[in-house]
Amino acid sequence: SAVISQKPSRDICQRGTSLTIQCQVDSQVTMMFWYRQQPGQSLTLIATANQGSEATYESGFVIDKFPISRPNLTFSTLTVSNMSPEDSSIYLCSVASGSGDTQYFGPGTRLTVL
Amino acid sequence: AQSVAQPEDQVNVAEGNPLTVKCTYSVSGNPYLFWYVQYPNRGLQFLLKYITGDNLVKGSYGFEAEFNKSQTSFHLKKPSALVSDSALYFCAVSPSRDDKIIFGKGTRLHILP
Repeated sequence: SAVISQKPSRDICQRGTSLTIQCQVDSQVTMMFWYRQQPGQSLTLIATANQGSEATYESGFVIDKFPISRPNLTFSTLTVSNMSPEDSSIYLCSVASGSGDTQYFGPGTRLTVL
Repeated sequence: AQSVAQPEDQVNVAEGNPLTVKCTYSVSGNPYLFWYVQYPNRGLQFLLKYITGDNLVKGSYGFEAEFNKSQTSFHLKKPSALVSDSALYFCAVSPSRDDKIIFGKGTRLHILP
């Protein structure tokens, strides 16, 4: 499976500011995904990031709040904009395996908004 | 609507005993089924998957899961639990390859020494 890293691993931010989370993979992958895990909750898909096209957002998530970049096949960023305490979550990126039938996850970014 | 249910918020098992973590799903067609584990302050780790073939699939750390189409279940099992198995376990389903994954709410497994 691919080795996935995320930066930062955690951060504490003030409300109204923005944070950009980076996801790096050690091999080229077609599909990358961004998930949110709110405290004590399951994972919810935010968007699918495809190289060369705009991200596809799930219901309830919008590009203005969670802009995503995918400049190449090994890297993606998720920005959490104009943050509020409700954005406090773990944000995880994942990649689809070469066969496309399994997703592997990064270690996550734990965000706390004060 | 597609969904995954994990009916137990928490499961307690004595070390050395067999464990089962339950999962049922509602997906049309032939689903892709997964189990992931999350240790404290760590990301999700892939345990095992079922796509097709033998209904009993084996995965990492001695875990296995049984696909039951008639009961739409995919329960996670291990013959002999270890204290180190204590973690949060997520069942997940995807309607097809390259499709998004839908996660259950998670079951916290406590293995008692």
